[in-house]
Amino acid sequence: NLMLTQPHSVSESPGKTVTISCTGSSGSLASNYVQWYQQRPGSAPTNVIYEDKKRPSGVPDRFSGSTDSSSNSASLTISGLKTEDEADYYCQSYDIRNRGVFGGGTKLTVL
Amino acid sequence: QVQLVQSGAEVKKPGASVKVSCKASGYTFTSHGISWVRQAPGQGLEWVGWISADKGHTNYAQKFQDRVTLTTDTSTGTAYMELRSLKSDDTAVYYCARLSVLTWDYWGQGTLVTVSS
Repeated sequence: NLMLTQPHSVSESPGKTVTISCTGSSGSLASNYVQWYQQRPGSAPTNVIYEDKKRPSGVPDRFSGSTDSSSNSASLTISGLKTEDEADYYCQSYDIRNRGVFGGGTKLTVL
Repeated sequence: QVQLVQSGAEVKKPGASVKVSCKASGYTFTSHGISWVRQAPGQGLEWVGWISADKGHTNYAQKFQDRVTLTTDTSTGTAYMELRSLKSDDTAVYYCARLSVLTWDYWGQGTLVTVSS
């Protein structure tokens, strides 16, 4: 079964750049699209990256996604950090039976 | 505008069942599947299952396979999630979300289900 592993937390200063990783446990994450969701406290998640690197309309280009087949991982990079980016971030993909799988989530603190 | 509006909070006893609704508006209901995701207090997101809104095909997480049923009513544009044999660790916020290709692009506001004796 596919498992996705994320760092529990990351922190960075406003204006800086942060990268959140998501590592797959089996197979090739690169052969399954990865989505990223942002969740602020008390709110439903919102999609910030889909199909590895595409941004939904309304998501600023400070958000970018990538994958690395050599490390079986995906990454979410947020540049020019703002305090409003402080949230939990979840990577998500699908297993071989097309069942959804989430990473454990990463708490981003913008100090 | 696309909206998914879920039913209100529920309190259930262990062993009972709960049925949560998710009413869609602002798009053609049968054009998009609906997924259900839950989040226990202070925990991460957990995928429960998916249903195609047109034909009613389903795909459930193995963990919930025997206890969950997803249905839709195309006449009202509403999706339902029924979870049976509730346990205390089923206490969570349950979200419905519209599936657009591979992405959940619109989410309901969430429904808190509390299981307590």
